[in-house]
Amino acid sequence: QVQLVQSGAEVKTPGASVKVSCKASGYTFTDYWIHWVRQAPGQGLEWMGWVSGNSGGTNYAPKFQGRVTMTRDTAISTAYMELNWLTSDDTAVFFCAASNWNAKNGFDYWGQGALVTVSS
Amino acid sequence: DIQMTQSPSSLSASVGDTVTITCRATQGIGDALNWYQQKPGKAPKLLIYGASTLQSGVPSRFRGSGSGTQFTLTISSLQPEDFATYYCLQHNGYPRTFGPGTKVEI
Repeated sequence: QVQLVQSGAEVKTPGASVKVSCKASGYTFTDYWIHWVRQAPGQGLEWMGWVSGNSGGTNYAPKFQGRVTMTRDTAISTAYMELNWLTSDDTAVFFCAASNWNAKNGFDYWGQGALVTVSS
Repeated sequence: DIQMTQSPSSLSASVGDTVTITCRATQGIGDALNWYQQKPGKAPKLLIYGASTLQSGVPSRFRGSGSGTQFTLTISSLQPEDFATYYCLQHNGYPRTFGPGTKVEI
């Protein structure tokens, strides 16, 4: 079965960086993009961008451009999202999701989420 | 950016009720719209894709409709496990954008 398993919770100080991993299994990793979605406590969902499992190409939301880097390692079917210059506003759960939404084929699987707390 | 709005932001309903949630886009997105259900502490779950296609394994009481700029999610015969927050997502333009969510409460 398809699974996306994310790295654990992290506590960071303002100005630091965080790198969240998302290990995929149960499907061909290079067939789909990995999206990253942020959810602040008690708030809605915010799309951050995607990384192609095949080419490694990326597309970032303008809000995060310049501060986020999404990469992948096909050898271990793992995607990464690194966010720099953290502030308290970045305290959130970060989800990864495997899908090519434009394919409209119903392939849509999410990780369990990784809580990142930014606090001095 | 394509902005997504949802109405209502929250609603109270009873088991057995039929509820309708509306999602509007600030520009036409064809049928590039997904509906998700999210429960506290859990990842979102895909209910509907392509605006109206029911995801495999999702009960038929969930129905999506619409195209262009206006979309609806209808839940018939509401069940206890349906109390959750529902989000729409447009994947026509970049950046992808979610609606602000509709919380369905008892």
